[in-house]
Amino acid sequence: IAGITQAPTSQILAAGRRMTLRCTQDMRHNAMYWYRQDLGLGLRLIHYSNTAGTTGKGEVPDGYSVSRANTDDFPLTLASAVPSQTSVYFCASSEGVWGHTQYFGPGTRLTVL
Amino acid sequence: EDQVTQSPEALRLQEGESSSLNCSYTVSGLRGLFWYRQDPGKGPEFLFTLYSAGEEKEKERLKATLTKKESFLHITAPKPEDSATYLCAVQGGRGNKLVFGAGTILRVKS
Repeated sequence: IAGITQAPTSQILAAGRRMTLRCTQDMRHNAMYWYRQDLGLGLRLIHYSNTAGTTGKGEVPDGYSVSRANTDDFPLTLASAVPSQTSVYFCASSEGVWGHTQYFGPGTRLTVL
Repeated sequence: EDQVTQSPEALRLQEGESSSLNCSYTVSGLRGLFWYRQDPGKGPEFLFTLYSAGEEKEKERLKATLTKKESFLHITAPKPEDSATYLCAVQGGRGNKLVFGAGTILRVKS
């Protein structure tokens, strides 16, 4: 069982460029999430999806967009990257929403110059 | 607003020296408290979920406990391979997001 895969593993991006981070899960989980992890700030929720076809905003959604066309995939798009979006991005999934354990992917390290 | 505070920020132990990590929280309607382990350059790895005060869970050298205000992660006779950052998170009643603490960096020396 692979669990959650993320791509790319790392990326250096010029400011102003568009970038999509990919996330795929094979656990048939209903809910998926995107977090960013920054030193001193911990993990913060960017966007979430409780089920395929629906999305919602988390704590830090500005500059990011998501889509959930099917159960397995949950891409995160930076429309016009800025240096403050330099971070490590983690995708997670859970079987349900309330009280269900979230399982995390290996992360994407993104540097915006 | 839901908040999580972990202490200490860092902890150095000798192999075999038992200790505890603390996670204090304030949350509106606790749905679950979660402990994760994170190794450098990797994603958080799930350890335990606790749902109500008085609940305890164990896995190898780790034991997690929960009260109405805090959770403890007890590490018994740690080994160097237990070295990692341990993250605590809560899910409250207002939304489905996890609110994370900053973590405790544990180093176990042989």
